[in-house]
Amino acid sequence: QKEVEQDPGPLSVPEGAIVSLNCTYSNSAFQYFMWYRQYSRKGPELLMYTYSSGNKEDGRFTAQVDKSSKYISLFIRDSQPSDSATYLCAMRGGYSNYQLIWGAGTKLIIKP
Amino acid sequence: KAGVTQTPRYLIKTRGQQVTLSCSPISGHRSVSWYQQTPGQGLQFLFEYFSETQRNKGNFPGRFSGRQFSNSRSEMNVSTLELGDSALYLCASSLTGDFQNIQYFGAGTRLSVL
Repeated sequence: QKEVEQDPGPLSVPEGAIVSLNCTYSNSAFQYFMWYRQYSRKGPELLMYTYSSGNKEDGRFTAQVDKSSKYISLFIRDSQPSDSATYLCAMRGGYSNYQLIWGAGTKLIIKP
Repeated sequence: KAGVTQTPRYLIKTRGQQVTLSCSPISGHRSVSWYQQTPGQGLQFLFEYFSETQRNKGNFPGRFSGRQFSNSRSEMNVSTLELGDSALYLCASSLTGDFQNIQYFGAGTRLSVL
């Protein structure tokens, strides 16, 4: 079993819908949680960065961490065709552990 | 400010050959990490270099090696290529590689092994 599980999709939704992307993990030592977006033929770019449990909002994006359930989510409001991309979750442990552990990525398609 | 530059963008090699990939980090960034991305395994960490020293290493065989130069540019080498090495190889740079540093990724080098 992988340390981080993420449904590869594809997830197809109409423009304007609220999108929910999720990852589950097994290592309770993870404390830092990130969401990256990767467009075709590009490298990943950081979208959201959260520490420990709670919510973080940035424009149309909200990241949510539930450490008790070992579950993180990314919500996209008012989705746009330009949001079509692969979304990867990544996480790491504490100060002494720099290595990021990645989910496989969810391919998201926003239909106009 | 220029981003992370990876060259070449595409490579086609045959089994048994070796290959060298190059990464120029963002100016001022001293940490460079390398990742392998495949559809089945996702992103897997290869190694991280900081100030010309390998600081962290993932679970890849010794055929995968790297180095970093004094100007922070980094190269990755894969010897005795296997079909399974076909992947997108991504380089990411950050200021110090500290756990709070953001990693900025290049567009990657797509390697096809025939």
